[in-house]
This record gives sequence, structure tokens and C-alpha cells, in this order.
Amino acid sequence: SAVISQKPSRDICQRGTSLTIQCQVDSQVTMMFWYRQQPGQSLTLIATANQGSEATYESGFVIDKFPISRPNLTFSTLTVSNMSPEDSSIYLCSVKLAGVESLQFFGPGTRLTVL
Amino acid sequence: GQQLNQSPQSMFIQEGEDVSMNCTSSSIFNTWLWYKQDPGEGPVLLIALYKAGELTSNGRLTAQFGITRKDSFLNISASIPSDVGIYFCAARGGTSYGKLTFGQGTILTVHP
Repeated sequence: SAVISQKPSRDICQRGTSLTIQCQVDSQVTMMFWYRQQPGQSLTLIATANQGSEATYESGFVIDKFPISRPNLTFSTLTVSNMSPEDSSIYLCSVKLAGVESLQFFGPGTRLTVL
Repeated sequence: GQQLNQSPQSMFIQEGEDVSMNCTSSSIFNTWLWYKQDPGEGPVLLIALYKAGELTSNGRLTAQFGITRKDSFLNISASIPSDVGIYFCAARGGTSYGKLTFGQGTILTVHP
């Protein structure tokens, strides 16, 4: 497996502001993903973070709202822009490891509350 | 799109009892994964299944990849209080680069 860390672990933000979440992995990974988990719900894929190119977004998610960076094979950021209370969720980084692409692992998550 | 129907939504059991939960779909998948999520944590991978009919164990956990490739179940034997949490099934179709689809989760409560 991989050790995945996320920062911050939680935050409380004001409406209209933006928050950048960082994801760091202790080994090089082939694919990195960002998920959202709304309260009491399952996981929804926001986008695939592509190294060196623009992220691939799922239906219902756009780059202006959730800009993503992935400057190298071990690091990615997700920004939640112009936040509203509806953005209150857990945001999870997830990775697939090189050589075991069928397996997918998750970070500890960032719990975001928007007031 | 592809959907996984996970049941039951929640379970309340006594310590020592066995637990069974399952996921079904109208779509065919090539990989099934089972995760457990504790409060305030990210999902932790429990078991991975790669072949139709495959039965895999991890300690007290046993999971099977349905022969039709459209379903999977997870059994927990002799439950203990630390089994409490949310269990998610997830499945991937197509190649190993395909996206994971998640079930809605089963909330497990174990009474001592």
C-alpha cells in the first residue's frame, strides 16, 4: 500500500472564500483522484489529477470551482473555490500504485465546513 | 451510468454474531473492492476480488466475486466492537484504469 497524507485534516471556512487541500504520497503513483463525500453519503469522484496536464473532471464538476494541480507523481492539490455551505463535505485524495493498478487507496480526508 | 445497490443500509448486531452484506448491479465488473470507513477517517481497503467466482478471506472477513460478475458479498464472522463502521463495496469495469463505482454503504453497529 501507500502512505497518503492530506492537509489540512479539517477546516471551517467562510462563504465566498477558497481552500486548497494538499495530498502527499510516499511513493510514485500512476493515478491520483479527488473524491467528495457529503454528510451521510457515499463517495463521488470529482476528477482525475493528471501529472503535467489538466485534470479530467466528472460530470457536474468544473475546473473553475475545483481547480486541481499535480506537479509531480507524489503530490496534488485540490482547491474548493468561492465556497458555499453546500460545499461542506469530506474531500478525499485517492491513489493507484504502479504495478498494482487494480487496487486503490484513500487518504484520511479533509473535513470542510463552510459557514 | 453504472450503479451499485448495496444492502442492507444499516445493521445492528450483538457481539459474536456473523454479518453479511452485498452489492448488486445490472452492469458487469472486472474488479470488486470492499472498504471500511471509521468515523473521521478515509476508507481502508479490506479485500480485492479479480475473478468471477473468486472467494477471498482476510482474517474474519470473507468476500466473493459473483459468478455473473454483477454482484459481490462480504461476510464478517464473530463480530467484535471494533468492526463498527461503514462498509463500502466498489467495482471497476473495463481495464484496470477504469473508474471505481461505489455502493451507498452499510452502517454496522455492534453491541457488546
